[in-house]
Amino acid sequence: DTEVTQTPKHLVMGMTNKKSLKCEQHMGHRAMYWYKQKAKKPPELMFVYSYEKLSINESVPSRFSPECPNSSLLNLHLHALQPEDSALYLCASSQGGSGHNEKLFFGSGTQLSVL
Amino acid sequence: AQSVAQPEDQVNVAEGNPLTVKCTYSVSGNPYLFWYVQYPNRGLQFLLKYITGDNLVKGSYGFEAEFNKSQTSFHLKKPSALVSDSALYFCAVRVPSGGYQKVTFGTGTKLQVIP
Repeated sequence: DTEVTQTPKHLVMGMTNKKSLKCEQHMGHRAMYWYKQKAKKPPELMFVYSYEKLSINESVPSRFSPECPNSSLLNLHLHALQPEDSALYLCASSQGGSGHNEKLFFGSGTQLSVL
Repeated sequence: AQSVAQPEDQVNVAEGNPLTVKCTYSVSGNPYLFWYVQYPNRGLQFLLKYITGDNLVKGSYGFEAEFNKSQTSFHLKKPSALVSDSALYFCAVRVPSGGYQKVTFGTGTKLQVIP
């Protein structure tokens, strides 16, 4: 299994809603990532988890809250989002070592619209 | 700052012709360079990477990339383009960040292969 699975594929939410994005991989990877991608733009790193601990937070607003319940799962909890947060949210994983040659495996993303 | 640049927003090529998608890098120390491809409404897929060794790197789907240290470039190439190669291509560099590694992407180049 070389897949990273993200659910839901599409999400529409109001600014007062609370929702969660989910990501799952069964490749035994120990590093997992959240990226945000606007249309026709490169992915922007949000968070990195390494061995289930948050290792990088790219100064993301607190209305985005990541969670890594175990080595296979990664969640992104959303609360009080703004319309400008509408984007494609991508989850990725990698083996998790300190090597420079690690490649990222991406899910297909969740297309989020904030109304 | 360590980064990659993709000077072309879009590249058009006729089917069967060779294609080149350009990438230049600015990295202190040894560069760890990658190419990813993104099809519409999908996550990114790894194509190839340069870590060390042979300057010509071969990857997935017949793609290859040439690392040129003197020109600080890492251009993606394919001898004969297919219509199915039409997609968004991202050059990326892996950089150290507080003891961890993170991937920074270029702005992307849209490849259009014309039948």
